[in-house]
Amino acid sequence: QKEVEQNSGPLSVPEGAIASLNCTYSDRGSQSFFWYRQYSGKSPELIMFIYSNGDKEDGRFTAQLNKASQYVSLLIRDSQPSDSATYLCAVFSTDSWGKLQFGAGTQVVVTP
Amino acid sequence: NAGVTQTPKFQVLKTGQSMTLQCAQDMNHNSMYWYRQDPGMGLRLIYYSASEGTTDKGEVPNGYNVSRLNKREFSLRLESAAPSQTSVYFCASSDTDRGNTIYFGEGSWLTVV
Repeated sequence: QKEVEQNSGPLSVPEGAIASLNCTYSDRGSQSFFWYRQYSGKSPELIMFIYSNGDKEDGRFTAQLNKASQYVSLLIRDSQPSDSATYLCAVFSTDSWGKLQFGAGTQVVVTP
Repeated sequence: NAGVTQTPKFQVLKTGQSMTLQCAQDMNHNSMYWYRQDPGMGLRLIYYSASEGTTDKGEVPNGYNVSRLNKREFSLRLESAAPSQTSVYFCASSDTDRGNTIYFGEGSWLTVV
């Protein structure tokens, strides 16, 4: 069983709509949660991180964390074609000797 | 500010050949990592180094060796390349190994034929 699970997609989103991405994790001791964006042929780049339960907003992006339910989500408001990419969820888990565990990623396609 | 620099960007190897992927960071980070990324598998950790002089195995270390040459440099060696090692390799670094933000290099595309 993978420790960090994401739907692979593709998630098709009309331009201007909200994209909602979900990520679940298995280790209840996980402490830090990250969302990375990866364009095709490029390296992952950090969008945002969240440590505490609740919402964290940064521009058009909102990360939501629910430790009791062991999920973290990412909302992209006013989706743009430039948001078309694969979004990777990463979790810092104490069971992994202090290393980040990555999900396989969700592909998002924003259609004009 | 270069961040994390890895070389080469592209390489084709024959089965059984050896090669070393080089990585250097200029952010004075303590921790460095080597990941491989395969379609549908996400990023998988090969080896990491929490600090200069230390290295530890990750999820998929078989067939690889690493050297933390100094604080800046962390190399990955394939002693006898196999087709299963065809992948994209990313070097990364972070301030600590305690869940701090990881910064990635641009990637190295390796094909073993």
